[in-house]
Amino acid sequence: DGGITQSPKYLFRKEGQNVTLSCEQNLNHDAMYWYRQDPGQGLRLIYYSQIVNDFQKGDIAEGYSVSREKKESFPLTVTSAQKNPTAFYLCASSIGAGLGTEAFFGQGTRLTVV
Amino acid sequence: AQKITQTQPGMFVQEKEAVTLDCTYDTSDQSYGLFWYKQPSSGEMIFLIYQGSYDEQNATEGRYSLNFQKARKSANLVISASQLGDSAMYFCAMREGAGGTSYGKLTFGQGTILTVHP
Repeated sequence: DGGITQSPKYLFRKEGQNVTLSCEQNLNHDAMYWYRQDPGQGLRLIYYSQIVNDFQKGDIAEGYSVSREKKESFPLTVTSAQKNPTAFYLCASSIGAGLGTEAFFGQGTRLTVV
Repeated sequence: AQKITQTQPGMFVQEKEAVTLDCTYDTSDQSYGLFWYKQPSSGEMIFLIYQGSYDEQNATEGRYSLNFQKARKSANLVISASQLGDSAMYFCAMREGAGGTSYGKLTFGQGTILTVHP
C-alpha cells in the first residue's frame, strides 16, 4: 500500500539535544512538507521541498533543519536552537505543487522535551 | 504572502442538521486553490474537498460542499446532515499558482473544532 510513514510515533528528547524525525513516502511524489501543530492550534509550515536536493523555509523554520537527498525521504531535525520543540509534527507529500494537488499526510510524530 | 483565517474556534451542531465552517483567505494571486481537511482526535489529516479559483461552480463531495465567494475571498465548508462521526477539527488550506510569491507552499488556517450533538 502506498502512503507516508512517519517514525517514531512518540519521541522524547532531553533539553539541548538534537533529534531527527523520519518521513518516508512511496507515492512517487515530488513535493514534501513538514508542519508543526501545537495543542488546539492550526498547522504551521516549517519547511517544504518541491524536488529532490531543493527545499525552502516555511513560516517557522528557525531551530529546524531538513534534507532532501532522495525523492522518498524528507527527514526533519529539531535542533537545540528550537526553544519550544514540544509539539505534534506532521509530514505530508503531494504529487507536485500544482493548484489542485492535494497533500497526503503521515500519522504524525509527537515530540516531548523532558 | 498568502494567509488563511478561520474565525470560529469551535462550533456545535445537532445531529442531522447542516453546519457552515467559515474560511477567508488573502492573496494577491489570481490563480489559487482552496482545500478543506478534517482531523479527528487520532491526528490523521483527511482531505475533504477542493475548489480552484477559476472554477465557476461550487465544489461538492457527498455531504460536503464549498460555498466559494471569490469577491469576498471566502471559501466556507458546508456539511449537510451532520453525523456524530463528523466531530473533529477542520482546516482550510490554500495553494498559490506558479506566478505567486508563495508557489509551492500549502498554508493552513487555525482550524475549527466541530462538535456534533446527538
